[in-house]
Amino acid sequence: AQRVTQPEKLLSVFKGAPVELKCNYSYSGSPELFWYVQYSRQRLQLLLRHISRESIKGFTADLNKGETSFHLKKPFAQEEDSAMYYCALSGTGTALIFGKGTTLSVSS
Amino acid sequence: ETGVTQSPTHLIKTRGQQVTLRCSSQSGHNTVSWYQQALGQGPQFIFQYYREEENGRGNFPPRFSGLQFPNYSSELNVNALELDDSALYLCASSLQGLGGNTIYFGEGSWLTVV
Repeated sequence: AQRVTQPEKLLSVFKGAPVELKCNYSYSGSPELFWYVQYSRQRLQLLLRHISRESIKGFTADLNKGETSFHLKKPFAQEEDSAMYYCALSGTGTALIFGKGTTLSVSS
Repeated sequence: ETGVTQSPTHLIKTRGQQVTLRCSSQSGHNTVSWYQQALGQGPQFIFQYYREEENGRGNFPPRFSGLQFPNYSSELNVNALELDDSALYLCASSLQGLGGNTIYFGEGSWLTVV
């Protein structure tokens, strides 16, 4: 079955602390993995995708096919990183399968 | 470049009624997909339209139907509304046919079924 699991509903960290948002997936084949972010009162937007291998706003994510994981990391959290983060995969076409999301709360 | 726009932003319907939600895709995009996001859940794929044809569908019953028009705008229709249909409905557009398709989401339509 195709599935994306985000085990943490809420992650609270202090400003300047490292952040790791976990994402595991189940898919038979080679999916494309994404992280989407939704800031307060804004629409869902793409943060990064594994094929780009970019660092966006200091966030990186590495696809680990052996562990079927795509964890999102940032070495030093900022208050403006507070948002809802969704991990998603795409197998066929552009349809996305989302996880349930993790709320990241960064406090000073 | 205009973004994805959806209407209405909020609406309330009674169980058993029918609803139509509308979406204008981002300029130049030929693919539209619809997602349902219940409270506390991630978005769930309903279906996708490419050049006016449905070319993918999630696990939703036939009372969820859609259309895509020649200008690539789209409608989502839900018949015989049930209380569990209360959710945020997201429209997303992309340009299929090129590698690395980026999907852009609208702000959504909040549907409450009472």
